[in-house]
Amino acid sequence: EVQLVESGGGLVQPGGSLRLSCAASGFTFKSSWMHWVRQAPGKGLVWVSRINNDGSSTTYADFVKGRFTISRDNANNTLYLQMSSLRAEDTAVYYCTRSPREGGYWGQGTLVTVSS
Amino acid sequence: EIVLTQSPGTLSLSPGERATLSCRASQSVSSGFLAWYQQKPGQAPRLLIYDTSSRATGIPDRFSGSGSGTDFTLTISRLEPEDFAVYYCQQYGNSPYTFGQGTKLEIK
Repeated sequence: EVQLVESGGGLVQPGGSLRLSCAASGFTFKSSWMHWVRQAPGKGLVWVSRINNDGSSTTYADFVKGRFTISRDNANNTLYLQMSSLRAEDTAVYYCTRSPREGGYWGQGTLVTVSS
Repeated sequence: EIVLTQSPGTLSLSPGERATLSCRASQSVSSGFLAWYQQKPGQAPRLLIYDTSSRATGIPDRFSGSGSGTDFTLTISRLEPEDFAVYYCQQYGNSPYTFGQGTKLEIK
């Protein structure tokens, strides 16, 4: 069974940093392209970042470029999102997902709240 | 950036009826790389359709996708009570891999 389990969310002050993790199981993680998608409370889905299977290629939404870094540890089947210079508008549930062409599985999400 | 515009914003139908949801792109979606997701309150999205018209694993055949270029459609042939939810389209042909704003399918 494919499982994606996010962790690392919480309350952080504006300007602070947080690292999200996504533990993957039930599929060949090292072969999969992975994404982070976020959803602010009561709002729609917003794509954040993508990484290819070996980590050599990454891409970001403009609103996180220079602040967020996506990475992966294929030896431990884990995806990461390092977030810095956080703003109130980054408050959202963050989901890790497999690419649609690879089954499009989603985790349950982890809530990040940016507030003083 | 490709902007996806979904219509209608809200669709009110009864169980057993046919639902047609639209997703229009501001420019052509590369290789038909368009997906549809269903999201219910408090849950993560679930992939329904990928590559415009391929059903994801376990998705009933009452869900179908069609389209090309800039115009795409999700059709639910006969609505079941569990189909009332919010639906999103997403293009993954060109970064940023944008989503539409969603269509809420509600019970009439």
